[in-house]
Amino acid sequence: DTAVSQTPKYLVTQMGNDKSIKCEQNLGHDTMYWYKQDSKKFLKIMFSYNNKELIINETVPNRFSPKSPDKAHLNLHINSLELGDSAVYFCASSPTDRANYGYTFGSGTRLTVV
Amino acid sequence: AQKITQTQPGMFVQEKEAVTLDCTYDTSDQSYGLFWYKQPSSGEMIFLIYQGSYDEQNATEGRYSLNFQKARKSANLVISASQLGDSAMYFCAMSKTSYDKVIFGPGTSLSVIP
Repeated sequence: DTAVSQTPKYLVTQMGNDKSIKCEQNLGHDTMYWYKQDSKKFLKIMFSYNNKELIINETVPNRFSPKSPDKAHLNLHINSLELGDSAVYFCASSPTDRANYGYTFGSGTRLTVV
Repeated sequence: AQKITQTQPGMFVQEKEAVTLDCTYDTSDQSYGLFWYKQPSSGEMIFLIYQGSYDEQNATEGRYSLNFQKARKSANLVISASQLGDSAMYFCAMSKTSYDKVIFGPGTSLSVIP
């Protein structure tokens, strides 16, 4: 029973297209995140939601829009895809009082823009 | 601003030997948390261990221990009795509070040699 599931696992699309990545967690966690891992393996936070409320919004182009319909789901929509958007996108979740819990990550979505 | 430094891009260790992965951090906050994550070649991110800035004892989880030296701002990961399955990328990370973003270091690639 997957704790944090992301779909799709792979996404290949052309420049200029719009695409969405979905994330769902069944851990009962209150907080969810989107991270981007570039080709050099560097991980950078993009967004964070706590109980459907946006609490972290890093310097990310407006083409990226997160949506959290409920605390178990956090989706990422990307408009007008560019070559530089190619990366692995990770969804993660954690309980409100994270303390020694750490994040639980999804398996990642490898986005390739051609 | 917080920053994580991992000065070893790549490390090799003989199977069954212990290995230390270095991590130094920079923060002006008094309260913070430190984490280590493992990313095998399959790509998933796995939480290994956590250390709170006010914890007096070094954290341990099975074969993993965190050598926390607060005055030096270092949080090195020690893996005892290395196994072939320990070959992976290891990320040091930190956050200010439960709600705050976790920032990641650039990672260290560990290869365990039979």
